[in-house]
Amino acid sequence: EVHLVESGGGLVQPGGSLRLSCAASGFTFSMFWMHWVRQAPGKGLVWVSHISSDESDTTYADSVRGRFTISRDNAKNTLYLQMNSLRAEDTAVYYCARNWVPDSWGQGTLVTVSS
Amino acid sequence: DIQMTQSPSSLAASVGDRVTITCRASQSISTYLNWYQQKPGKAPKLLMSAASTLQSGVPSRFRGSGSETDFTLTISSLQPEDCATYFCQQSYSTPPTFGQGTKLEIK
Repeated sequence: EVHLVESGGGLVQPGGSLRLSCAASGFTFSMFWMHWVRQAPGKGLVWVSHISSDESDTTYADSVRGRFTISRDNAKNTLYLQMNSLRAEDTAVYYCARNWVPDSWGQGTLVTVSS
Repeated sequence: DIQMTQSPSSLAASVGDRVTITCRASQSISTYLNWYQQKPGKAPKLLMSAASTLQSGVPSRFRGSGSETDFTLTISSLQPEDCATYFCQQSYSTPPTFGQGTKLEIK
């Protein structure tokens, strides 16, 4: 069974940093593209970033480019999102999701940016 | 970026009703259209990919159709457990974009 578990969320001040992790199990992690998608409270889904299976291709939404960095460790079956220069508008539940068409999602981790 | 527009934004229907949600893309996306169901406090669940391919385990009362710019998700006979928010998403080009969601409630 595919299992994705996000962690690393929390309360951070504007301008601060957080690193999210997504631990994967139940499938061959190294074979799949992975995404980060976020959802602000009461709002819709917004794609943040994705990374190819071999880490050769990474792409970002305009709103986070230059501030967020996606990476992965295929030996550890883990996806990461380094978030710097955080803003209030980055407040959201962050989901990791598997595959070009996201077919499995984690339960999400809440990031709150507030002073 | 390709803009995805869903309608209606919300609707209420009775158990047993036929329900249709529409999704329009701002440019042609062939059939690179996916549908997700999200229940409160839960992660999205992929219902349908490639416009009309039902995912394993999804009830057959869900049907997807459409191509190019216009797509529909139809629930043939609404059940209480279908109460959720439904999102369309295009996977034709990067960035992948989602519709704003349709909140479906049971009368």
